[in-house]
Amino acid sequence: QSALTQPASVSGSPGQSITISCTGTSSDVGGYNYVSWYQRHPGKAPKLMIYDVSNRPSGVSNRFSGSKSGNTASLTISGLQAEDEADYYCSSYTTSSTLVVFGGGTKLTVL
Amino acid sequence: QLQLQESGPGLVKPSETLSLTCTVSGGSISSSSYYWGWIRQPPGKGLEWIGSMYYSGSTYYNPSLKSRVTISVDTSKNHFSLRLSSVTAADTAVYYCARHGISTVVAYKWFDPWGQGTLVTVSS
Repeated sequence: QSALTQPASVSGSPGQSITISCTGTSSDVGGYNYVSWYQRHPGKAPKLMIYDVSNRPSGVSNRFSGSKSGNTASLTISGLQAEDEADYYCSSYTTSSTLVVFGGGTKLTVL
Repeated sequence: QLQLQESGPGLVKPSETLSLTCTVSGGSISSSSYYWGWIRQPPGKGLEWIGSMYYSGSTYYNPSLKSRVTISVDTSKNHFSLRLSSVTAADTAVYYCARHGISTVVAYKWFDPWGQGTLVTVSS
């Protein structure tokens, strides 16, 4: 069981917006602004999409945005495109001895 | 552009030691402010951080694996390695290497970039 909780799957139609949640505790998501999000297409390397809750690395589309409220972080993808279909994982710094925690992953299906 | 590539045996026998290498290209492993880490994903399960190392030797390990894990860095070859001893079927997973970003405040911010991953199966 992963330390951070994500929905197993979400779906949306092209052009729509979807949001993926990532729920942790005050020891990780809620206590620090070090939440990151990763996109992984089958057989490919995971790609950093969001870091420090809401920052986009250079080259990542501005259709991807991140936010946080309390112990829950969110990744929003607007203007869904077929190429966005992938698995998405959240991660956070944690004060537990583990240092790094991940969510279980969310499969995004573009209908 | 920084790229990472994992290499090593795809099949390891139970009780033996799993050894993987991550070769870094397009940049130096001796860059300051970054650690170099390993993450794995067992079939049907989530991602699990294994551990990370700074080029000078400082390490962080996941406590659940610490007794069996060794991460080392070879700056002359610009690569870093993972050794996981006494493996069992539970260690079957896709193993990823990645650059590990830190800050002056916390020891983890993000992993970027990642290697493509390599599947290691533990079986006799």
